[in-house]
Amino acid sequence: AQSVTQLGSHVSVSEGALVLLRCNYSSSVPPYLFWYVQYPNQGLQLLLKYTSAATLVKGINGFEAEFKKSETSFHLTKPSAHMSDAAEYFCAVTKGSGNTPLVFGKGTRLSVIA
Amino acid sequence: GAVVSQHPSWVICKSGTSVKIECRSLDFQATTMFWYRQFPKQSLMLMATSNEGSKATYEQGVEKDKFLINHASLTLSTLTVTSAHPEDSSFYICSALSGATGDEQFFGPGTRLTVL
Repeated sequence: AQSVTQLGSHVSVSEGALVLLRCNYSSSVPPYLFWYVQYPNQGLQLLLKYTSAATLVKGINGFEAEFKKSETSFHLTKPSAHMSDAAEYFCAVTKGSGNTPLVFGKGTRLSVIA
Repeated sequence: GAVVSQHPSWVICKSGTSVKIECRSLDFQATTMFWYRQFPKQSLMLMATSNEGSKATYEQGVEKDKFLINHASLTLSTLTVTSAHPEDSSFYICSALSGATGDEQFFGPGTRLTVL
């Protein structure tokens, strides 16, 4: 069965510092992996996705993630944090292949300190 | 493009009543929609997969008679919480698969349900 583990339920960084949100996955099939951001009382917005193409994926708002099969990881990074990045971030893996439901990690709340 | 709406955005109801939540794909057709549930400060949990013109597929532990899903058209799926109880209070989020980009789900803004 597919699963996602996000290390750290809360990450706090200073404005301008590197953002690193960790995600490890388990999948019995080649995975499609996603990072979503959720602002309070809102739905999810897709940041980026990996669908078996380039292993380094660039997304919106300056975020990127690298798929590392050997480490079963898909960590999210951003070189310089902005106050507006404060939100909840979810890593997700497809339940099966292609267009199947998503299995979400428990989420990581990112705080950005001025 | 690829906008998904939900209505209502929030609802408060009395225990024992039923509540219907609509999920619409505004600018694309979605043969498949998913319904998720999110408790406060927790992750999203898949409740069911809704396919247009057929019965929904429910995840283990989700009562299909309590959470009625209807996907009557390619742009509309509804979730009805029947005989709601306080423990049903949650954030319900739908997503829709676009046929053009079959590997991406577009999420609605969610519906906050509070059962008194």
